[in-house]
Amino acid sequence: DQQVKQNSPSLSVQEGRISILNCDYTNSMFDYFLWYKKYPAEGPTFLISISSIKDKNEDGRFTVFLNKSAKHLSLHIVPSQPGDSAVYFCAARGNEKLTFGTGTRLTIIP
Amino acid sequence: EPEVTQTPSHQVTQMGQEVILRCVPISNHLYFYWYRQILGQKVEFLVSFYNNEISEKSEIFDDQFSVERPDGSNFTLKIRSTKLEDSAMYFCASSEEDRGWQPQHFGDGTRLSIL
Repeated sequence: DQQVKQNSPSLSVQEGRISILNCDYTNSMFDYFLWYKKYPAEGPTFLISISSIKDKNEDGRFTVFLNKSAKHLSLHIVPSQPGDSAVYFCAARGNEKLTFGTGTRLTIIP
Repeated sequence: EPEVTQTPSHQVTQMGQEVILRCVPISNHLYFYWYRQILGQKVEFLVSFYNNEISEKSEIFDDQFSVERPDGSNFTLKIRSTKLEDSAMYFCASSEEDRGWQPQHFGDGTRLSIL
């Protein structure tokens, strides 16, 4: 099942700089897209979402952009902080269920 | 902040045995879910539950699996006769969704190890 893909397994960013995490999807029927953050031995923690009818949603340091024509979304974190180091999952909602990507491990370098 | 709680955190079971994983969703939430993550793989949807019945299930959720809300607070996943390939992290989630779409909130998971 490759409906949601995160092609970068890892990303390292200097503290204070912008982190950009990317996600691609194939199913046009998804109605919401979400980003979750996951620390080891914990469950995914909801960060931010965007409706399929929007192209941008912002919450503090986190902004999600949606490009429907390209079937692509991205999460921007600015400025990046050491506590942002975690695995980030992109997820897409269709018919109540979430379809997850494989995750990107973000490491913030002090 | 309210959270989804799961017990136990780790369950070790012999193959062929029944196992019950327990979850307490956030109290005012109406939709409940189970997901699993096999080591090194994606988080996969298993089942959603609303108004005391299954609303959607995946092809993984076969006759060996069942869910129940035995009282007003617990939500359980039962695997009747466990197989080695059932070894995974199992995550419970819940969402509000009584006034439009709301995100799913996850528990910290139960690691199920089948021997």
